[in-house]
Amino acid sequence: DTAVSQTPKYLVTQMGNDKSIKCEQNLGHDTMYWYKQDSKKFLKIMFSYNNKELIINETVPNRFSPKSPDKAHLNLHINSLELGDSAVYFCASSHGLAGGRGTDTQYFGPGTRLTVL
Amino acid sequence: KQEVTQIPAALSVPEGENLVLNCSFTDSAIYNLQWFRQDPGKGLTSLLLIQSSQREQTSGRLNASLDKSSGRSTLYIAASQPGDSATYLCAVLSSNTGKLIFGQGTTLQVKP
Repeated sequence: DTAVSQTPKYLVTQMGNDKSIKCEQNLGHDTMYWYKQDSKKFLKIMFSYNNKELIINETVPNRFSPKSPDKAHLNLHINSLELGDSAVYFCASSHGLAGGRGTDTQYFGPGTRLTVL
Repeated sequence: KQEVTQIPAALSVPEGENLVLNCSFTDSAIYNLQWFRQDPGKGLTSLLLIQSSQREQTSGRLNASLDKSSGRSTLYIAASQPGDSATYLCAVLSSNTGKLIFGQGTTLQVKP
């Protein structure tokens, strides 16, 4: 009965490849997020979607493209992977948008550790 | 620009001690502040969420306080146990941007 799940858990790939990370939440939430945690453990927002619409798009290279086929899924596709993309990527979800329901806790997935060789 | 700082970066204590983790933020325009726990190789677990209008929240042995005007929060852990060993992350939800801004965490080790 996992609330927020991500696949794969580990991803090792060569520079220049294209890869995808999938995220699913079964909490009935409207908003989903992608975060990146770098080697210094610093977590930063990348994207957020509300009801399949892009709400937050941080200054992220356009090699990163989120896709939300429905409210319960937010996938992250990365083109032409670079060494600096190596990190742990976390998906999260919350019931509503900040401001609308500012009380909402964000629920995080277990993370996907991406290693680019 | 909102910045969140956590002190100390690492902490090692013997079992049974009471301890305090500190978090400071530069912009008081927040909806709420959350404390998370992260275990190695795992995701984040929300421990406590304090609304901007609240002063503190308690859950079991955990107590978190919020002083929005001074930009500070503390997480108090009573009677620490080895199972409390983890990284504790503080995050504020900015009311200017709607983004959750994280500190870099305090890595806690509780020795038996």
